Amino acid sequence: AQSVTQLDSHVSVSEGTPVLLRCNYSSSYSPSLFWYVQHPNKGLQLLLKYTSAATLVKGINGFEAEFKKSETSFHLTKPSAHMSDAAEYFCVVSDARAAAGNKLTFGGGTRVLVKP
Amino acid sequence: EAGVTQFPSHSVIEKGQTVTLRCDPISGHDNLYWYRRVMGKEIKFLLHFVKESKQDESGMPNNRFLAERTGGTYSTLKVQPAELEDSGVYFCASSQPGVYQETQYFGPGTRLLVL
Repeated sequence: AQSVTQLDSHVSVSEGTPVLLRCNYSSSYSPSLFWYVQHPNKGLQLLLKYTSAATLVKGINGFEAEFKKSETSFHLTKPSAHMSDAAEYFCVVSDARAAAGNKLTFGGGTRVLVKP
Repeated sequence: EAGVTQFPSHSVIEKGQTVTLRCDPISGHDNLYWYRRVMGKEIKFLLHFVKESKQDESGMPNNRFLAERTGGTYSTLKVQPAELEDSGVYFCASSQPGVYQETQYFGPGTRLLVL
């Protein structure tokens, strides 16, 4: 069984300051981990994914995430927030063993507000 | 290349009516998934098609929901009869066949409101 906990339902940051979105996961097997973002009235867009290669994963738009197995965490960070980063972010886990395609398990989402 | 498309973008129906949602995956993607987010809850898996076959339908809430994917291209999700608790956003995603640790590409979702 898999589960994902996003520790903050809302995060508010000032433009130009760092962003930290926290995610903890639980998985019986080696997981694949993802961060998706949803801007208002848009679909879910993949930011980045971890697939057991490098533990520090770089994604689009300056985001990165670090896989820490000992802490079962996959926190998302960005050094400097931009107004366009205002959106909802989802931490997602799947079972990396299932090569035939498999369901994703989502966290509850974190809404990011960026203040000018 | 066109992304995953969903139709309609919004639907408002009354309890007891029928609604059919449509998803067109990325061309060449054999895997097609349906997910749902009801108000205030997490996005939840509904089912997974590989081509026209249902690979996993463990997330389907009850027999009022019927998903089809005739010919292995687009898919429909019908809710009949709709209940108030069916309100939410229905997402479709697709991915390439046979890719280890696949990436699923999502559509914009259909927002369903049952009154």
